[in-house]
Amino acid sequence: EPEVTQTPSHQVTQMGQEVILRCVPISNHLYFYWYRQILGQKVEFLVSFYNNEISEKSEIFDDQFSVERPDGSNFTLKIRSTKLEDSAMYFCASTASGRGGSYEQYFGPGTRLTVT
Amino acid sequence: GESVGLHLPTLSVQEGDNSIINCAYSNSASDYFIWYKQESGKGPQFIIDIRSNMDKRQGQRVTVLLNKTVKHLSLQIAATQPGDSAVYFCAENALYNNNDMRFGAGTRLTVKP
Repeated sequence: EPEVTQTPSHQVTQMGQEVILRCVPISNHLYFYWYRQILGQKVEFLVSFYNNEISEKSEIFDDQFSVERPDGSNFTLKIRSTKLEDSAMYFCASTASGRGGSYEQYFGPGTRLTVT
Repeated sequence: GESVGLHLPTLSVQEGDNSIINCAYSNSASDYFIWYKQESGKGPQFIIDIRSNMDKRQGQRVTVLLNKTVKHLSLQIAATQPGDSAVYFCAENALYNNNDMRFGAGTRLTVKP
């Protein structure tokens, strides 16, 4: 069965450093998403991406965050200058269709980001 | 603000019994709902979805019920098995308004052998 993969599984970084979290969505999917889950809390939407541009973003996704699909297979989330409160599990997801269609999202296993 | 939330944070059932997990939502514009299962150390896994033009949808051992009058969603798991032990989230979306799913806090289901 196809699956979304994410690397690394755990990233430790110092406050103020840049981090890039990587995802490989399912190959024929067109819509891509990043979510985060702070330990013990809800999964929170960050951003959705379609046709090489952001389609929606939440209030969490401020100027410190950016996403990119650099090569047609990878989908990355960059945090420019990490803060302690960025420590969370970050999930990538993809769907074959988006608005109005089936919304069966496939999630990756997540990257645990620890900011020290 | 409007939000999605869960009534029960934990649920413990005997193997073989049926489980019912509940969810309340308050966004009247929501027209699409999903139940996810999250096992420890893994990402959410899609279980079943339902659109607001339906009040019931069945899958394999799972049934989702939607009561739009009281803005309530439930997930029924028949003949619960130890492998069903996980955290279950409901999520809602106004499909024709945006693409972001709003997740509830989750209910931890524990199945006792």
